[in-house]
Amino acid sequence: TQLLEQSPQFLSIQEGENLTVYCNSSSVFSSLQWYRQEPGEGPVLLVTVVTGGEVKKLKRLTFQFGDARKDSSLHITAAQPGDTGLYLCAGEADKLIFGTGTRLQVFP
Amino acid sequence: DTEVTQTPKHLVMGMTNKKSLKCEQHMGHRAMYWYKQKAKKPPELMFVYSYEKLSINESVPSRFSPECPNSSLLNLHLHALQPEDSALYLCASSQGLAGLNEQFFGPGTRLTVL
Repeated sequence: TQLLEQSPQFLSIQEGENLTVYCNSSSVFSSLQWYRQEPGEGPVLLVTVVTGGEVKKLKRLTFQFGDARKDSSLHITAAQPGDTGLYLCAGEADKLIFGTGTRLQVFP
Repeated sequence: DTEVTQTPKHLVMGMTNKKSLKCEQHMGHRAMYWYKQKAKKPPELMFVYSYEKLSINESVPSRFSPECPNSSLLNLHLHALQPEDSALYLCASSQGLAGLNEQFFGPGTRLTVL
C-alpha cells in the first residue's frame, strides 16, 4: 500500500511566521500535487511538481520535490490568516494517493 | 468555465431513503471521480470514470451506485445508507487518466444519514 505521511499534523502560528510542511513516502511518484482545502469546500490545486529536485514558487509558497521523487515540502514565508486551511499533498501513481493532511491555522 | 459544480450542497436522509448526488463540469475533461471525506481526514477515492466508462471501483458497498450519463455529468445514487456513511462527498474531474492527473474538485455535498 502506498502511503504519504505529512508532518506536522497540526500547526498553529502567528501571522508573519514561516513554516514548512513535509510529505514523505517510501514509494516513487511520477508527479506530486499540493492542494489547499478550506472548511466546507473542495480541495484547490496549488501546484504540481514533476521532476526530481524541482522547486516551484507561488508568491510566498515554495514547493520542492525530492530528488528521488518520494517526498516533497511546502514552505510558507510570512504566513497570513488567509493561508489557514488543510494542506494535502497527493502523489500520482495509478491513481492519486492523498497524504494524511496538515491543518494550518494562522492567527492575526 | 473552470468550475466543477455539485448539487445539493447539503443533504439529510433517512436509512430507507433513495437520493442522488449530482456533479457537472464543462471543461471538456474525460475523467471524473467520486471521493468520500470524513471530518479531519483526507479524501478517499470511491469511483473513477474515464470516457464515461467505470474505470476504478475502490470496493465501495453496493448501496452507492455511480452513473455517468455523458462526459459532463456524474451522478451518485444512494440507497439504504448507514449513519457511518455521513461525510462530505466530493466530485472531481481531470483531463484524462494518462499523463498529469491534475484534478479539479467541486465544493462537495455534505451528507447526513439519520
